[in-house]
Amino acid sequence: DVKVTQSSRYLVKRTGEKVFLECVQDMDHENMFWYRQDPGLGLRLIYFSYDVKMKEKGDIPEGYSVSREKKERFSLILESASTNQTSMYLCASSSPSGLNYGYTFGSGTRLTVV
Amino acid sequence: AQSVTQPDIHITVSEGASLELRCNYSYGATPYLFWYVQSPGQGLQLLLKYFSGDTLVQGIKGFEAEFKRSQSSFNLRKPSVHWSDAAEYFCAVGALYGGSQGNLIFGKGTKLSVKP
Repeated sequence: DVKVTQSSRYLVKRTGEKVFLECVQDMDHENMFWYRQDPGLGLRLIYFSYDVKMKEKGDIPEGYSVSREKKERFSLILESASTNQTSMYLCASSSPSGLNYGYTFGSGTRLTVV
Repeated sequence: AQSVTQPDIHITVSEGASLELRCNYSYGATPYLFWYVQSPGQGLQLLLKYFSGDTLVQGIKGFEAEFKRSQSSFNLRKPSVHWSDAAEYFCAVGALYGGSQGNLIFGKGTKLSVKP
């Protein structure tokens, strides 16, 4: 069964900490995505990547960065965590024909910044 | 700009009753359309998709959706809801142009509650 795995289901971090959220997929997908999900706001795209070492800003990139050193791994980095970054973070991947097959999502990481 | 609207934030239905979740999109060409379901605390799972052919598509868990070009809609239906269907449902359209080309644009979701 193909999978997108997010390393942590729950994280609690302190304000100002540097936070790494990891996502690994085993489907050899070129495209990977990071979303945050908040009640009433739906899914908002933070960053995405079409290939190794490539990244594109999504709708809300401020306060975040990403790293994609290997095809299967896409990391989201909160340079200095703030309380307004408390949220559910979802990683997804797709093949280049993602519009035909849709995205495969991980189970999410619920991050709380205190 | 391409967009997806799910007019209902929260719907409650009785177990065994029929269900219809609404989705409207704004788009000029034939869209790629998807429905996802998210159980509490989980990621999103693909229910069904449409991009050509028969406008009535069947998905997993007994769901179906109908593409109506004249109404710019892609509503999700189920004839008889089970308590395990309680979840949040997201409609998405594939962006074929602009900065988001190749990406999916999601609606804000509809939360479904099921009464016993």
